[in-house]
Amino acid sequence: DTQMTQSPSTLSASVGDRVTITCRASQSISSYLAWYQQKPGKAPKLLIYKASSLQSGVPSRFSGSGSGTEFTLTISSLQPDDFATYYCQQYNRYRTFGQGTKVEIK
Amino acid sequence: QVQLQESGPGLVKPSGTLSLTCVVSGGSISSSNWWSWVRQSPGKGLEWIAEIHHSGSINRNPSLKSRVTISVDKSKNQFSLTLSSVTAADTAVYYCARLTTTMVLGDWGQGTLVIVSS
Repeated sequence: DTQMTQSPSTLSASVGDRVTITCRASQSISSYLAWYQQKPGKAPKLLIYKASSLQSGVPSRFSGSGSGTEFTLTISSLQPDDFATYYCQQYNRYRTFGQGTKVEIK
Repeated sequence: QVQLQESGPGLVKPSGTLSLTCVVSGGSISSSNWWSWVRQSPGKGLEWIAEIHHSGSINRNPSLKSRVTISVDKSKNQFSLTLSSVTAADTAVYYCARLTTTMVLGDWGQGTLVIVSS
C-alpha cells in the first residue's frame, strides 16, 4: 500500500497570504497525484491532476508541483472562498488519500 | 454536465449488507469513463472503495476486496455497491464519482450517510 502523508494538518492564514501544503508518498508514484478541495457537507472538488495540471474552471491561483514522493499545492493569494480542507490522492496504484489539511482563518 | 445521485438505506444492522445505488444523469454509463465509490468517516478520512468500467473491468481496494461487490446496470444508467459483513467502522458518508479521462475523480455525487447500528 502507498501511504500519503500531508503537512500541516491545520494551517491558519489570512486573505492574500501565499499558502503551501505538502504531501509525501511512502513510495514513488511518478506524477500520479491529484489535489481536492472539500467544504463542510460537500463532496470533494478536483483542483489538480497529474501533480501540476489545473482542472478546467479552477482559478489560476492554485498550482501543484512535484514528482516521485514529494508534492506541493500552492495557493498564491488566499481568497475567502479558499478556506476549506485540502486532500492529496495518489492514483499510481489503486487510490489513497492523504489525511487532509484544514486551511482556517487566522 | 454529468450528475450523480446516491441512494440507499441510511441505517444498516451490524453483520448485515450495505447496498447503495448511484444514478447517472446527463451522460451515459456506457461511455469510456470509469465509475467509483469513495467513503468518508471521521476516523479514517477519505477512503477509495472500488471502481468499475461498463465493460466489466473492476478494481477494488485490497483492504475491502473480500467484502465489496460493484456492478453496472446499463439499462438503468446506474451502478451499485454492496459491502457485506458491516461493522460500526463502516459508518460513513458514501460518495459515487466519475473518473475523468485522466483517471481522477472528476464528478461526485452529494454523498449519502450510512450508519451501522442495531
